[in-house]
Order: sequence, then C-alpha cells, then structure tokens
Amino acid sequence: DIVLTQSPATLSLSPGERATLSCRASLGISRYLAWYQQRPGQAPRLLIYDASNRATGIPARFSGRGSGTDFTLTISSLEPEDSATYYCQQRNNWPRTFGQGTKVEIK
Amino acid sequence: EVQLLESGGGLAQPGGSLRLSCAASGFSFDMSALHWVRQAPGKGLEWVSAISGGGDRTNYADSVKGRFIISRDNVRNTLYLQLNSLRVEDTAVYYCAKAMVIDAFDFWGQGTMVTVSS
Repeated sequence: DIVLTQSPATLSLSPGERATLSCRASLGISRYLAWYQQRPGQAPRLLIYDASNRATGIPARFSGRGSGTDFTLTISSLEPEDSATYYCQQRNNWPRTFGQGTKVEIK
Repeated sequence: EVQLLESGGGLAQPGGSLRLSCAASGFSFDMSALHWVRQAPGKGLEWVSAISGGGDRTNYADSVKGRFIISRDNVRNTLYLQLNSLRVEDTAVYYCAKAMVIDAFDFWGQGTMVTVSS
C-alpha cells in the first residue's frame, strides 16, 4: 500500500499568514493526489485534485503543487474559517489511501 | 443539487452485522463510482471500499476484505455496505462519497455512526 506522510502534524498561525502543508508518498504517484479540508463535526470537502487543480468553488488562496512523491498545499493568506484538519489522498494505486492529516489552528 | 444521505448505523455486537445505505440524488448515479470512507472517533480518514458505476468492479481495504461487501442499486440510486463479522475497531463514522471521473471525492454525505461494542 502507498503510505502518505503529512507534516507537520499541527500548524498554528495567525490570520493573514501563509500556511504550507506537506504530503510525501512512499512511492511515486505521478500527480494523482487530492487534498481535503475537514472542519470539526463536518464531512470532508474536496479542495484540490490531481495535485494542482482547485475544485469547484474553492477560493484562490488554496493552491497545490507537486508530483512523484512530494506534494504541497499552500494557503496564501489564512482566514479564520481555514481552521480545520487537512488530508491528502492518492488515487494512483489500490487501495486508495489518505495521509494522517495536518491540523491548522488559527491564533 | 447533489445529495448523499447515509443511514443504517447503530450499535452492534462484536461478530455482528449491519447494512449501511446511502441514498443519492442530483447526479447521474449509474455513471459515478462511489466509495465508503470511515473515521474512527478522534482519528483520521480511512478509505474502505469502492464500486464502479455499473457495479461490476469493487475494491476493498485489507482491513475489511472478506468481511464487508459493497453493492449498489442503480434503479433505486442507492449505495450499500454490508458489514459482517464486526470488530471493535470498526467503530467509526462511515461516509459515502461520490467520485469525479477521476477518484477524487467531490461530494460526501454527512456520515452514519457505527459502534461495535459488547
């Protein structure tokens, strides 16, 4: 199985700051990586698919990049509503797998 | 508007069974692959199973293979997950999720809670 390792586990930043989240795959997965946001008590929401494509309705402050084994999700200027846990997910191999998540806290 | 509504969760004993349902609307149901993803209390997301639009191809996580069965009814626009031989570690919120043409999950239900306990 492909293991996705996310770092850091927790990120604590102030509104307006830039957040950089990392996802590393145990094997190359081309660009077949998605990012999700999950706020407490809610279902996950798709942010980015295929490494860099924003899903419908996702604000431009969210961007993704990467290929192979190293991927990054960037939130350019944090808003209070960005407080959430973020997960990466690969679709290159079965079984599909998720990373363990990065929790973003807004100070 | 796409809607996914899970039901069927509840309390089951170890070794018991449950059947989860996910009623769908607002999209071409038989053209969409569907997945189940679960989340144990306080933990991260775990992919569980997937089924193709026509229902002829299925995949499972190793942790549930041989115990869970995914199926769909393209007339009733409903996805199912039969949970057999339940274990305490199957306790989780179970989400159904719709896949885009690619396997990114663009719509999710609100989840149904399964608790396995004696």
